Amino acid sequence: NAGVTQTPKFQVLKTGQSMTLQCAQDMNHNSMYWYRQDPGMGLRLIYYSASEGTTDKGEVPNGYNVSRLNKREFSLRLESAAPSQTSVYFCASSVTINEKLFFGSGTQLSVL
Amino acid sequence: ILNVEQSPQSLHVQEGDSTNFTCSFPSSNFYALHWYRWETAKSPEALFVMTLNGDEKKKGRISATLNTKEGYSYLYIKGSQPEDSATYLCASYSGGSNYKLTFGKGTLLTVNP
Repeated sequence: NAGVTQTPKFQVLKTGQSMTLQCAQDMNHNSMYWYRQDPGMGLRLIYYSASEGTTDKGEVPNGYNVSRLNKREFSLRLESAAPSQTSVYFCASSVTINEKLFFGSGTQLSVL
Repeated sequence: ILNVEQSPQSLHVQEGDSTNFTCSFPSSNFYALHWYRWETAKSPEALFVMTLNGDEKKKGRISATLNTKEGYSYLYIKGSQPEDSATYLCASYSGGSNYKLTFGKGTLLTVNP
């Protein structure tokens, strides 16, 4: 039972580089989310997808784009990475909006 | 209360002690309250989702209560064990057209053997 799978686990970027964080879930969940975790802060929502075909901004969307490729996959793209985007990123999914979240293992991203 | 606030920020207890911590959240437009357990180097795992005022949930030695009118939830751990050491997160879901599950900063529990 894979659950929510995120790749990569670690990434180092230079300022201005771009990259995509991949997320896939095998639980047939409708809703998927991207959060970031910074020291001294709670988990903050970047973007979410309530259902296949929809995406919406969360609390901190600036500098990010997302794609809900299909029901299983929800990717997060940094077009031009900035040091302020150094963080731990978590993908999560749930059966529907507001049901309990199942989290991936996280991606530690450093932007130099 | 505009944000989700958790207290204390951290606490240390001895094995066998019972403990509790608090989550305060906006009571207006309340829809649901989530509790998660987050062990170091792992991902958060859901403990409870509660929606009704007066709701009580239990999972083994861990239980939670909910007061939606005054905007707080308590998490209780009975007879703490070292494996209970983790950060406990609460998150409040406010209803409406825009999804908004707001997390608190967590309570870091350390249980000393």
